[in-house]
Amino acid sequence: QSVLTQPPSVSGAPGQRVTISCTGSNSNLGAGYDVHWYQHPPGTAPKLLIYDNINRPSGVPGRFSASKSGTSASLAITGLQVEDEADYYCQSFDTSLTAYVFGTGTKVTVL
Amino acid sequence: QLVESGGGVVQPGGSLRLSCAASGFTFSSYGMHWVRQAPGKGLEWLTYIRYDEGNEYYADSVKGRSTISRDNSKNTLYLQMNSLRPEDTAVYYCAKSNGDYINSWGQGTLVTVSS
Repeated sequence: QSVLTQPPSVSGAPGQRVTISCTGSNSNLGAGYDVHWYQHPPGTAPKLLIYDNINRPSGVPGRFSASKSGTSASLAITGLQVEDEADYYCQSFDTSLTAYVFGTGTKVTVL
Repeated sequence: QLVESGGGVVQPGGSLRLSCAASGFTFSSYGMHWVRQAPGKGLEWLTYIRYDEGNEYYADSVKGRSTISRDNSKNTLYLQMNSLRPEDTAVYYCAKSNGDYINSWGQGTLVTVSS
């Protein structure tokens, strides 16, 4: 079982703003380890969306943004588009497990 | 580019070695991961190896049953899996590390553990 908890699903109409939370603990996010976010559309390989808490790789649209505070992080999609339907995962490192960890994943549905 | 191979159907208790051929970057300069996704489940990180094989990490779910290795002369990453169980059925991805995150993924190879 994952040590990073995400809501199973979020949904919104096109153009709306949705947020996905990622809750960790003092052995991962709270220990100062960065959080990263991935988009995983069905049937394709995952794609890096946000790295080092807030940074977007080149090519990732500006409607994706993220933040981190203490033992929690969040990903926001502003101006939701149909092509944003996918599963989204946070990821960090856990010092107690001495292992990388993914969040439980969140399915984003565009209504 | 990362291209996995070696997946297939294996009986419970059996073994399998996955390979990942890397190209387009200096393979020997980057750490590498294996990540899997079981049917209907989320991504599960499995194991990591440092660029120089100097450090390895394993998830509890595969520790003691799996070994990650690499051949920098062949630009290839491996995952040896033993004592396979039905719950190991998944798509296995190899992935390139950049610091503490993954910035490149293969397309995955399917492993099915079934009698």
